[in-house]
Amino acid sequence: KNEVEQSPQNLTAQEGEFITINCSYSVGISALHWLQQHPGGGIVSLFMLSSGKKKHGRLIATINIQEKHSSLHITASHPRDSAVYICAATIIQGAQKLVFGQGTRLTINP
Amino acid sequence: DAGITQSPRHKVTETGTPVTLRCHQTENHRYMYWYRQDPGHGLRLIHYSYGVKDTDKGEVSDGYSVSRSKTEDFLLTLESATSSQTSVYFCAIRRGGGPMDEQFFGPGTRLTVL
Repeated sequence: KNEVEQSPQNLTAQEGEFITINCSYSVGISALHWLQQHPGGGIVSLFMLSSGKKKHGRLIATINIQEKHSSLHITASHPRDSAVYICAATIIQGAQKLVFGQGTRLTINP
Repeated sequence: DAGITQSPRHKVTETGTPVTLRCHQTENHRYMYWYRQDPGHGLRLIHYSYGVKDTDKGEVSDGYSVSRSKTEDFLLTLESATSSQTSVYFCAIRRGGGPMDEQFFGPGTRLTVL
C-alpha cells in the first residue's frame, strides 16, 4: 500500500463544476503539498500546508491532521485547469523526503 | 522559478551506453533531489544530496549513481542504460533547511533507452 493515496485517478468534468481531489496518507508528515503538472510540462507547487486551509484564487487546499486527509478544491473550473494534480507528503524523519501520490488527471471540458 | 535547469532536455540512447544527466541550480541550496516519473508509479526518489559530496539513496536507486562536486551541480549517471530506465527525470531543490520547506522542480529530462 502506498504511503500517499490519491483519488480519483482520473476525473472529467464540465466547465464551471466544483472539483474535489482527495489525498490520504499513512505516515507522519511535517507538510502536505499539492503540485500541478500540465501535459508535457514541468511541475509547479500550488500549496504547502501543515494545518487548516489555504486559498489561492479558485483553488482551495485543506488538511485534517487527525484524519490524515487533505483535499484540493477547484471552484468554477475552467479548461485551463486540465492537468495532473499531485499530492505529496514531507516525511518527518531524515532528509525531509517527499512521498508522492500517483496523481489525478483532471480534464475540464468546455 | 527557483533557477533550476536540466540538461539535456531530451535524449535517446541505446541499451548499454552510459548516460549522464545534469541538474544545475543558481541559488546555492543545500538539498537537491533526482526523481523519475513513470505512468502508474508517479514520482519516485532516485538519489538525493544534502551537500557537496554528501549523497544518499532513494527508493529506486539501483542502476543509478550520483555525484555532487560543487553546490550548484548534481549529476545523475546511468552506468549502463536499460530500457526500464526510459522515463522522465526531474531534479528538485529544497529551499531552506526546515520541515516546512518547499521543493522546486526543474523542467525535466525525457530519456528514451532503445
